Amino acid sequence: SQTIHQWPATLVQPVGSPLSLECTVEGTSNPNLYWYRQAAGRGLQLLFYSVGIGQISSEVPQNLSASRPQDRQFILSSKKLLLSDSGFYLCAWRRLAITGELFFGEGSRLTVL
Amino acid sequence: TQLLEQSPQFLSIQEGENLTVYCNSSSVFSSLQWYRQEPGEGPVLLVTVVTGGEVKKLKRLTFQFGDARKDSSLHITAAQPGDTGLYLCAGPGSSNTGKLIFGQGTTLQVKP
Repeated sequence: SQTIHQWPATLVQPVGSPLSLECTVEGTSNPNLYWYRQAAGRGLQLLFYSVGIGQISSEVPQNLSASRPQDRQFILSSKKLLLSDSGFYLCAWRRLAITGELFFGEGSRLTVL
Repeated sequence: TQLLEQSPQFLSIQEGENLTVYCNSSSVFSSLQWYRQEPGEGPVLLVTVVTGGEVKKLKRLTFQFGDARKDSSLHITAAQPGDTGLYLCAGPGSSNTGKLIFGQGTTLQVKP
């Protein structure tokens, strides 16, 4: 069965520091992968998605970037964090079906101070 | 632009009460999904509805897809504290990128 993991689960970083959140998927090949950000108790904002190695699409201009160095690895990065980057970050993979359900990782809580 | 609007945004009820959450759009969706998210965790898929007028039941949860495939509802019978969480509806976007469009969510609090 497919599993998805992301880490770290919690991160507290000072403004201006770099960021790296990692997500890996097991049990499937060539998955579509997604990074979302969620404000407290609210809906999901799509940040990046990837349909294959090295293929990244950005949804909103921001201080973040994403990379996909391996088929089942998706990384969210920043060179210099801003206060506004604080939030709950979720990685997800998409089931290859017309309905396209998403399966999410455990989430990473980022607090920028 | 396809949008999904959920109502109410917040719901606080006593254990044993019934409730309905709505997910509406002016656009037609090929399918709609419902997720539940508990604090500090990722959303978990509950159900996918595909056919207009379709009704699916998951224990005390009943999901309905509107006949015109523009709306969906989630009804919970005899709510329990374990039902507490954020409920999100989502549907495939019109492009071929596989992106899902999410509603803003309904936060449900069930008090014992």
